[in-house]
Amino acid sequence: GQQVMQIPQYQHVQEGEDFTTYCNSSTTLSNIQWYKQRPGGHPVFLIQLVKSGEVKKQKRLTFQFGEAKKNSSLHITATQTTDVGTYFCAGAGTASKLTFGTGTRLQVTL
Amino acid sequence: GAVVSQHPSRVICKSGTSVKIECRSLDFQATTMFWYRQFPKKSLMLMATSNEGSKATYEQGVEKDKFLINHASLTLSTLTVTSAHPEDSSFYICSAARASGLTAYNEQFFGPGTRLTVL
Repeated sequence: GQQVMQIPQYQHVQEGEDFTTYCNSSTTLSNIQWYKQRPGGHPVFLIQLVKSGEVKKQKRLTFQFGEAKKNSSLHITATQTTDVGTYFCAGAGTASKLTFGTGTRLQVTL
Repeated sequence: GAVVSQHPSRVICKSGTSVKIECRSLDFQATTMFWYRQFPKKSLMLMATSNEGSKATYEQGVEKDKFLINHASLTLSTLTVTSAHPEDSSFYICSAARASGLTAYNEQFFGPGTRLTVL
């Protein structure tokens, strides 16, 4: 079945440093979504990428979808303590079914 | 808009009992709802896809007789964990996809989750 891996598994940065998480799917995706889950919370939708090579920005967050539609990345510029949480990519295959990536847990300290 | 609620938020039960978890879309209609399971510090594992008015589609390895899903209306899906055992202890999360534009934009709205502890 479809597998979606993310690296790194965990990253600890100091506030102000940049952060990037990479997402790789074993199969081509129709689209990819990114979610953030705060400790003790539930996943919250961040963005969806549909087109090959697409790049989208949300303030300090930059999302990219690979040309082959099998990989994606999320880059956070100048992290803040509010960015703490686990970031999941989720690949969409058929019938809106999402396969969640393994997640990257981000810790930000002052 | 697009709020999904889950009830209960937390439940502790004895081994052998059944537990029902409700998932409601509060301000939109959801033809499709999804049930996930999440172990501590792990990813979300899709258990089943619940379609209003039809039988749920279970993922490989998920026992349909163990995890009963009912999607009786466009705003409510229930998951019943039957004869619960300690290994069923987990965080169960539902999500709902909007009824319109399902294939064009399939954002899922997640409920707050239910933490099940089986003693």
